[in-house]
Amino acid sequence: GENVEQHPSTLSVQEGDSAVIKCTYSDSASNYFPWYKQELGKGPQLIIDIRSNVGEKKDQRIAVTLNKTAKHFSLHITETQPEDSAVYFCAPISGGKLIFGSGTRLLVRP
Amino acid sequence: EAQVTQNPRYLITVTGKKLTVTCSQNMNHEYMSWYRQDPGLGLRQIYYSMNVEVTDKGDVPEGYKVSRKEKRNFPLILESPSPNQTSLYFCASSPMGVETQYFGPGTRLLVL
Repeated sequence: GENVEQHPSTLSVQEGDSAVIKCTYSDSASNYFPWYKQELGKGPQLIIDIRSNVGEKKDQRIAVTLNKTAKHFSLHITETQPEDSAVYFCAPISGGKLIFGSGTRLLVRP
Repeated sequence: EAQVTQNPRYLITVTGKKLTVTCSQNMNHEYMSWYRQDPGLGLRQIYYSMNVEVTDKGDVPEGYKVSRKEKRNFPLILESPSPNQTSLYFCASSPMGVETQYFGPGTRLLVL
């Protein structure tokens, strides 16, 4: 089955710094790569996604980059703010399903 | 407001006592799904439904049942709950297929 790994598992940054979370996957047929944000006590929320025909996508302070050859994609958050503190999940599609990584806990220190 | 709602949000029950967790969406979405979230394991899909009267097993369907009689509702049924079903459950929906899923607020279940 699909193997999805996220790194790091925890990340602590100073407010205003950038944060990068990496997701590696094993299914070369994957063609959809989303990132979800889960705040405490809430359900996951889709924050950005990318398809395999695109290498990078930006939405204000967040961006996703995709390297299909190396089978990894990354979430980039610039100018981090305390409200960015949450758990982030990658969930590449495989076999018609989203396969969620184990999550990265991001803490933004004021 | 466009949303996915789940009830109850918290539930404590005992082994073997049948329970139902309801899920409803008001976005006219075709696709609905149930996940469970356990520490260190991420989210795993239990069942999904591509449309009314069409349901399929996900990765961890054992011990669960679902039905999709109406487009907006997708209840999760535990006929005989066991302690290993203690978990955080999420319902999700999307306009079509697995992409762009909107998640509900979650139901925390404890089976004693």
